[in-house]
Amino acid sequence: QKEVEQNSGPLSVPEGAIASLNCTYSDRGSQSFFWYRQYSGKSPELIMFIYSNGDKEDGRFTAQLNKASQYVSLLIRDSQPSDSATYLCAAGRSGYSTLTFGKGTMLLVSP
Amino acid sequence: DTGVSQNPRHKITKRGQNVTFRCDPISEHNRLYWYRQTLGQGPEFLTYFQNEAQLEKSRLLSDRFSAERPKGSFSTLEIQRTEQGDSAMYLCASSLSGTMKDYEQYFGPGTRLTVT
Repeated sequence: QKEVEQNSGPLSVPEGAIASLNCTYSDRGSQSFFWYRQYSGKSPELIMFIYSNGDKEDGRFTAQLNKASQYVSLLIRDSQPSDSATYLCAAGRSGYSTLTFGKGTMLLVSP
Repeated sequence: DTGVSQNPRHKITKRGQNVTFRCDPISEHNRLYWYRQTLGQGPEFLTYFQNEAQLEKSRLLSDRFSAERPKGSFSTLEIQRTEQGDSAMYLCASSLSGTMKDYEQYFGPGTRLTVT
């Protein structure tokens, strides 16, 4: 069973703080990793993807990948109440076009 | 709006009835995916198409489910003899094929199905 694991949360942070969201995966064949943001009652929105070990930054978001540890993280700097949502981690495996999603981590940013 | 669209957005049906959902992908995307999401879970893959060819189906896709993409553009997902366990959000996503690009999947707003 290829799994992507996330802490369901909620993760509560004050406005302006750094939110750190984590994800582990079991399939060593996974090559690409995605973070989706999902507001309550809405569909997932792709916010970051990372394919190589290391960090990838895009605005307030930084994705980190460590393939040796099978670990992916998403850092959100200067968190805003509008960042309050569920963050889904997903993995794609070489040779397959489908994504395996975790259950998501709920983030709550308090004003 | 050039994003993925889905219709209807909500569907309430009685157990045993058939339902059909439609998805229109981003126009230049040749890959189209169907996922199902229940409360508290991440999306679960159902099936996907490249152009009009259905290339993969999940074991979640029982014989009551059928999907088509007849002209390689929009797709339909039909559920026959609906059961209460079919209640979920049905999500469609699309992507371009090509190295890594097929993983960059963009979701539509979803169709929420309630089976009573």
